[in-house]
Amino acid sequence: DGGITQSPKYLFRKEGQNVTLSCEQNLNHDAMYWYRQDPGQGLRLIYYSHIVNDFQKGDIAEGYSVSREKKESFPLTVTSAQKNPTAFYLCASSIVSNEQFFGPGTRLTVL
Amino acid sequence: AQSVTQLGSHVSVSEGALVLLRCNYSSSVPPYLFWYVQYPNQGLQLLLKYTSAATLVKGINGFEAEFKKSETSFHLTKPSAHMSDAAEYFCAGQKTSYDKVIFGPGTSLSVIP
Repeated sequence: DGGITQSPKYLFRKEGQNVTLSCEQNLNHDAMYWYRQDPGQGLRLIYYSHIVNDFQKGDIAEGYSVSREKKESFPLTVTSAQKNPTAFYLCASSIVSNEQFFGPGTRLTVL
Repeated sequence: AQSVTQLGSHVSVSEGALVLLRCNYSSSVPPYLFWYVQYPNQGLQLLLKYTSAATLVKGINGFEAEFKKSETSFHLTKPSAHMSDAAEYFCAGQKTSYDKVIFGPGTSLSVIP
């Protein structure tokens, strides 16, 4: 089965800790994206990557970092610099110029 | 700047009634347009997309949307609501294939039995 997996589904973090959210796809898509979703605000783009070893900041990149060492993987690190990290995080992938396919999401809660 | 607006953050319909979810976009050229559905605590699933091949686009689960350039609208409709249609719906637009996808704020659809 082809698709996008995100892990873990739920993640709890203490203030001051960095955490890494996993995103893997086996759809052979070149492009991958990370979004943050807060109630009533739709989706906001954090980072995106169109090819391996290259990525671009989205609209709300501060406090986040990514890497794209493999085509299949696009992990997101939420650093301690992110002031309000509690949110639902969605990863997506696409063939550039086509619709995005979304993973099931990771809900991050800061304790 | 390109933007996507959705009129009504929450819409309620009776089971069997028409579903109409509104989406307007701002753009100087015909864009790519999408409707996605999201069930609680899940990712988004594509319902349909407009890519200029036809103004009336049919999607999954009986949904369709009509692109109206004169009104800069791409409203989503379904003739008869089902209980399983209760979810969050997002309209999204993209100016060119290499631009960011801009998502609207979403509309929560409730279906009353």
